[in-house]
Amino acid sequence: RKEVEQDPGPFNVPEGATVAFNCTYSNSASQSFFWYRQDCRKEPKLLMSVYSSGNEDGRFTAQLNRASQYISLLIRDSKLSDSATYLCVVNPPIYNQGGKLIFGQGTELSVKP
Amino acid sequence: SQTIHQWPATLVQPVGSPLSLECTVEGTSNPNLYWYRQAAGRGLQLLFYSVGIGQISSEVPQNLSASRPQDRQFILSSKKLLLSDSGFYLCAWSVQWGQGIDTQYFGPGTRLTVL
Repeated sequence: RKEVEQDPGPFNVPEGATVAFNCTYSNSASQSFFWYRQDCRKEPKLLMSVYSSGNEDGRFTAQLNRASQYISLLIRDSKLSDSATYLCVVNPPIYNQGGKLIFGQGTELSVKP
Repeated sequence: SQTIHQWPATLVQPVGSPLSLECTVEGTSNPNLYWYRQAAGRGLQLLFYSVGIGQISSEVPQNLSASRPQDRQFILSSKKLLLSDSGFYLCAWSVQWGQGIDTQYFGPGTRLTVL
C-alpha cells in the first residue's frame, strides 16, 4: 500500500463547478498534512495546510478525517486558473528528523470554459 | 523574505557525462534542504535531505550524490549520468514549527535530459 494515495484523474470540470479531491494515508500517527499545487512544468507550491478542525481559504476548503485517514480538498466556483495538479502531502512522525514529507502522485484538474 | 535559487534551469547532457546542480537559499539560517526528482508524469521522489552542513541522508541508492558545503548551499552531483537520470530536479527548504510539522518550499527546478 502506498503511503499517500490520490486519484490521478484527470478531473475535467466546467468553470464554476465544485470539485473535490480525496487522499488517503497509511500511517495513522501522521502529524501534519498539506495540499500543494503544481502547474505544468513548474515547481510545487504550497496551497494550504490542513488542520484537524478543517480550514478554509477563499474558494478552497481542506478537511482532515483522522479516523478514516483521509484528507480532502474542495474547490468551489472553479476558475480556468485552477487547472493544475494537486498534491496531497503528509508528514509522518517517524520521519520527524529532517522534516521529510511524503507526496502523493497528484490529481490533475482541468477546468474548461 | 526567503528565496531559493536553482541553476541551471535546463540541461542536456550525454550519457556518461558528469553532473552538478546547485541550489542556494537566501533569507534564512540553518534550513533543512532537500533534493527531489520528478520523472515525466510521475510523483516526487526524495533523493537526499540535509539538516546541516556536511550532513547528508540518502533516500534512494543510485549514481547520484549530494553535498552541503555551506549552510545555505546544496549540490547534487553525478560522476556518470544514465538515461534514467532524466527528469525534473527540485531543491526545497523547510522550516520546522511545532513538533514534526514542516512546510517545504521549492526552487524553480532544473529540467535534465540525458541523451
